[in-house]
Amino acid sequence: DVVLTQSPLSLPVTLGQPASISCRSSQSLVHSAGNTYLNWFQQRPGQSPRRLIYKVFNRDSGVPDRFSGSGSGTDFTLNISRVEAEDVGVYYCMQGTHWPPLTFGGGTKVEIK
Amino acid sequence: QVQLQESGPGLVEPSGTLSLTCAVSGGSISSSHWWTWIRQSPGKGLEWIGEILHSGDTNYNPSLKSRLTISVDKSRNQFSLKLTSVTAADTAMYYCARGYGDSRQGFDYWGRGILVTVSS
Repeated sequence: DVVLTQSPLSLPVTLGQPASISCRSSQSLVHSAGNTYLNWFQQRPGQSPRRLIYKVFNRDSGVPDRFSGSGSGTDFTLNISRVEAEDVGVYYCMQGTHWPPLTFGGGTKVEIK
Repeated sequence: QVQLQESGPGLVEPSGTLSLTCAVSGGSISSSHWWTWIRQSPGKGLEWIGEILHSGDTNYNPSLKSRLTISVDKSRNQFSLKLTSVTAADTAMYYCARGYGDSRQGFDYWGRGILVTVSS
């Protein structure tokens, strides 16, 4: 199985400041057909997860443009340009290139300082 | 707006069978989406369980495959999960979700989740 390692585990951030979450894969996530199936999810306290980004950098409808995804191969990043109070929660990366199984990272908890 | 709603027992005895259903509304289960089960153990991360297409084609997590059956009922617009020989390790919040296309790109609609505890 592909292992996704997220860092940091916990990320205290000041409101209005940027935040960056890393996701590293045990194998390259470039699919033979050329796509890279690396997605990001947000899980606010007490809620179901919500997809933010798919295929590395494509933002879902309704997701604020302060969220952006980047990366290639085995190294990927989710950036929040200016953290707002509603961004508190746990963020997960997920890969769909090598499956089954689809696998998730262990999560990064974003909290306000 | 597509909505998913999980239902089933919240308590299952060890060695028993965990059975859950996901009702889909606002969209057809016969669309070209894979319908998925995901679980989250208390205080832990997310684990993909498996998925089904309206045709009945399935993909399962190899770690659960020997105990797992996912089925679809097109007449009721719902799909179901059965996990046999459960232990305390199967205690989790179980979510159903819709795959964005073939699920490689993640899941665009989720249910609210149902907490299942395995205990006598």
